Amino acid sequence: NAGVMQNPRHLVRRRGQEARLRCSPMKGHSHVYWYRQLPEEGLKFMVYLQKENIIDESGMPKERFSAEFPKEGPSILRIQQVVRGDSAAYFCASSLVGASDSPLHFGNGTRLTVT
Amino acid sequence: AQTVTQSQPEMSVQEAETVTLSCTYDTSENNYYLFWYKQPPSRQMILVIRQEAYKQQNATENRFSVNFQKAAKSFSLKISDSQLGDTAMYFCAFSTSGTYKYIFGTGTRLKVLA
Repeated sequence: NAGVMQNPRHLVRRRGQEARLRCSPMKGHSHVYWYRQLPEEGLKFMVYLQKENIIDESGMPKERFSAEFPKEGPSILRIQQVVRGDSAAYFCASSLVGASDSPLHFGNGTRLTVT
Repeated sequence: AQTVTQSQPEMSVQEAETVTLSCTYDTSENNYYLFWYKQPPSRQMILVIRQEAYKQQNATENRFSVNFQKAAKSFSLKISDSQLGDTAMYFCAFSTSGTYKYIFGTGTRLKVLA
C-alpha cells in the first residue's frame, strides 16, 4: 500500500519562474493537506482540499499561491513568480476523513530552492 | 491562540539509554489530540505516537511512550532503549477535535550516540 507520493523531491527555480508541486494521496484517501516547513521551523498549515474543492486555504499567501485537487490526478500546489522567501520544504499529507480523528500521513516533501 | 512549545532544540543520548523530549501546549479547548512525529534525514514525517486528550491513560508504542499531563498542558515523549535509527528531528503537534489543522512545535533534534 503506497504511502503519500510527492514529486519532485527537489525543485530548483529561478526568481520569477513557476513551481508546480505534485501530491498523490494514500489509496482511499480523499482529503489532502499542504504544509510548508521553513528551515529550522515546524510545519505550518497552508491549505486543505477534498476532491475538486478547497475547504480551507487560510494558511496560503494571498498572492502567487494556488492549490487544486482535481477529480482525476494528483493534487497540485502552484507557486507563480517565485521569490527567494518561497524556498522551503513543502509537505503534502492525506487522511481518510477530514478531522483530527484520522491521523495525517505525510509524504517525503518537495524541497524548493529559489535561486 | 493555540501554540506548541518544544524548549529543547537539541538533545543527545547514548545508545540503549532512555531519553525524554518535552512539549508544552496552550489551548482553551477541552477535546483535542496530541502527536509526536519523527523526521529522519530522509525528511519523511513519520507518526510516532498519538494521544487523545479525553483518555487518561498514557499512549505507548513499543519503545515510545508519552507522559500526558492535561492540567499542566504537557506532553513529553520517552524513548527507551534508544537506537541509532532514532536519530531524527522530533516534532510535537496538536489538533483540536473536529478540525484538521495541526499546529507543530519547532522540533527537537535528537542524536543517538554509539
